[in-house]
Amino acid sequence: DVKVTQSSRYLVKRTGEKVFLECVQDMDHENMFWYRQDPGLGLRLIYFSYDVKMKEKGDIPEGYSVSREKKERFSLILESASTNQTSMYLCASSFAGSETYEQYFGPGTRLTVT
Amino acid sequence: GEDVEQSLFLSVREGDSSVINCTYTDSSSTYLYWYKQEPGAGLQLLTYIFSNMDMKQDQRLTVLLNKKDKHLSLRIADTQTGDSAIYFCAVPEDQTGANNLFFGTGTRLTVIP
Repeated sequence: DVKVTQSSRYLVKRTGEKVFLECVQDMDHENMFWYRQDPGLGLRLIYFSYDVKMKEKGDIPEGYSVSREKKERFSLILESASTNQTSMYLCASSFAGSETYEQYFGPGTRLTVT
Repeated sequence: GEDVEQSLFLSVREGDSSVINCTYTDSSSTYLYWYKQEPGAGLQLLTYIFSNMDMKQDQRLTVLLNKKDKHLSLRIADTQTGDSAIYFCAVPEDQTGANNLFFGTGTRLTVIP
């Protein structure tokens, strides 16, 4: 079974702090994604990566950066957290050779910025 | 980008059928997906349909696709309390069904015992 793990289920940070959200997948997937989920807005793509050290902006990259130094790990960085970044953050991965491009999701990190 | 729309809430009684609807704007998608998110969990692929099909049935689940109207629906027969979750429709970003998916807003299904 594919497993996608995220470093924390719940996180509380103060405005202005630097925040790291870590995601690890164990199935050698090429593609990895970071989404945020907000009520009424569904999932919005922040960044994705299709290979080590490669990254592409999604729909809402402002205020975020990412790092992919190893294939299995994709990190989301909030350089200076703000209250409007309070949200559920979901990481996903997929196999580039899959016909269906199914994405496998982690359990999510609920981040609160006070 | 793609626009994928769903109604936000649906309540049904246990044993009834549930129908969750989705409309999308891009007609070139090869696969269309339904994901399920149970409380406190990430999303999990529930089912998908290839764009040259009108219908796909998988046990209690029936997916209907109307390409002309760009309308996708998910029917759950004999809905159970365990079906209570948020259901997301998802459409690939481009014709090749490439890496990115556009997700709808999600429909929160509540099953009343």
